Amino acid sequence: AQSVAQPEDQVNVAEGNPLTVKCTYSVSGNPYLFWYVQYPNRGLQFLLKYITGDNLVKGSYGFEAEFNKSQTSFHLKKPSALVSDSALYFCAYISGNTGKLIFGQGTTLQVKP
Amino acid sequence: DAGITQSPRHKVTETGTPVTLRCHQTENHRYMYWYRQDPGHGLRLIHYSYGVKDTDKGEVSDGYSVSRSKTEDFLLTLESATSSQTSVYFCALDRQSSYNEQFFGPGTRLTVL
Repeated sequence: AQSVAQPEDQVNVAEGNPLTVKCTYSVSGNPYLFWYVQYPNRGLQFLLKYITGDNLVKGSYGFEAEFNKSQTSFHLKKPSALVSDSALYFCAYISGNTGKLIFGQGTTLQVKP
Repeated sequence: DAGITQSPRHKVTETGTPVTLRCHQTENHRYMYWYRQDPGHGLRLIHYSYGVKDTDKGEVSDGYSVSRSKTEDFLLTLESATSSQTSVYFCALDRQSSYNEQFFGPGTRLTVL
């Protein structure tokens, strides 16, 4: 079955350090991959997407993600974490041609001052 | 902000009662989605719509029905609410001009006692 997986329930990082939130995928063909962020008591917000082309994708708020076909990964990264980056992060892929998003379980990012 | 609202924002109801949640958009987009969010499961698709009176099931559609009689409104009905349907419900829309980047409403927190 096709899916995306986020192997870490929580990631802790100190402010100013680089952060990585992991996502691996098991999707046939050319996957359309996304990252969304959810701040407390809010809906999800789009961060970035990979459709095709350059494997390094840049998104909102200084985030980027690297599509790695050989490792079937799409990890989210930021060079220098901020306390305000603390939130719940979701990796997702598009299923079929009706725009259905299938989400991973989510990873809580905690950035400590 | 994609002009998407949900009502009510909070609701407490009793087992066995019908409940209807409303999603309203102001931008006339075709594709709309209903998700539920539960700890450890991320977001799961309940139903989606690709136009007026055109709807289809998602991953977790049992116990839910939807209707779309006009473009701007997408209604989710719990026919007979159960405690397992206690969740946070998110509506989303797809602008279809952004490679399936979805925009989410603020969510409805539903508690079934």
